[in-house]
Amino acid sequence: SQQGEEDPQALSIQEGENATMNCSYKTSINNLQWYRQNSGRGLVHLILIRSNEREKHSGRLRVTLDTSKKSSSLLITASRAADTASYFCATDFNAGNNRKLIWGLGTSLAVNP
Amino acid sequence: GAVVSQHPSWVICKSGTSVKIECRSLDFQATTMFWYRQFPKQSLMLMATSNEGSKATYEQGVEKDKFLINHASLTLSTLTVTSAHPEDSSFYICSARETGGWVYGYTFGSGTRLTVV
Repeated sequence: SQQGEEDPQALSIQEGENATMNCSYKTSINNLQWYRQNSGRGLVHLILIRSNEREKHSGRLRVTLDTSKKSSSLLITASRAADTASYFCATDFNAGNNRKLIWGLGTSLAVNP
Repeated sequence: GAVVSQHPSWVICKSGTSVKIECRSLDFQATTMFWYRQFPKQSLMLMATSNEGSKATYEQGVEKDKFLINHASLTLSTLTVTSAHPEDSSFYICSARETGGWVYGYTFGSGTRLTVV
């Protein structure tokens, strides 16, 4: 399967704590993206990191990418109850003549007030 | 920014009937659109990639005769679930990639929840 893996599958923390999620993938990539999905709803793009980048920040989000290990991590600092959602990584790669996204299994984050 | 409109947002249909889902890029041209399905508490699975004016490329295990994809214009792709059965009940999401240009390039519709009864 081309699907990536994420860990942990579920994470429960207290408000104010940091949350770290990891993603591993299998192929060479153009970039890696992180998305958030609230229950039963559409996807919200959070951040994109290119294959030649190692770290990127956006507000309370910090993403790292290690292409030698084919892994990425998403850190959410000072979490809030509103951060409760599922988080997915997606790798953008070339498949023959097509480019497509392959998705990780997701991490379900619960931030308790 | 780029917007993709997906319609309907939810639909209930009887077993054996067909359902059409539309995906429109509102303010950009999309040479390529993607269709995903997502079961509860699971990740997105790519079903097919559709390129404007040509046949869709289906992922392994996806029945092309059951999930008909048409991408007749640069702003519209449709997914028709034919002879739907309860096991087809799922959340279907489309995305579109803008022709040329920016690195990110993928914009997602808000999804369609299909329930087959």
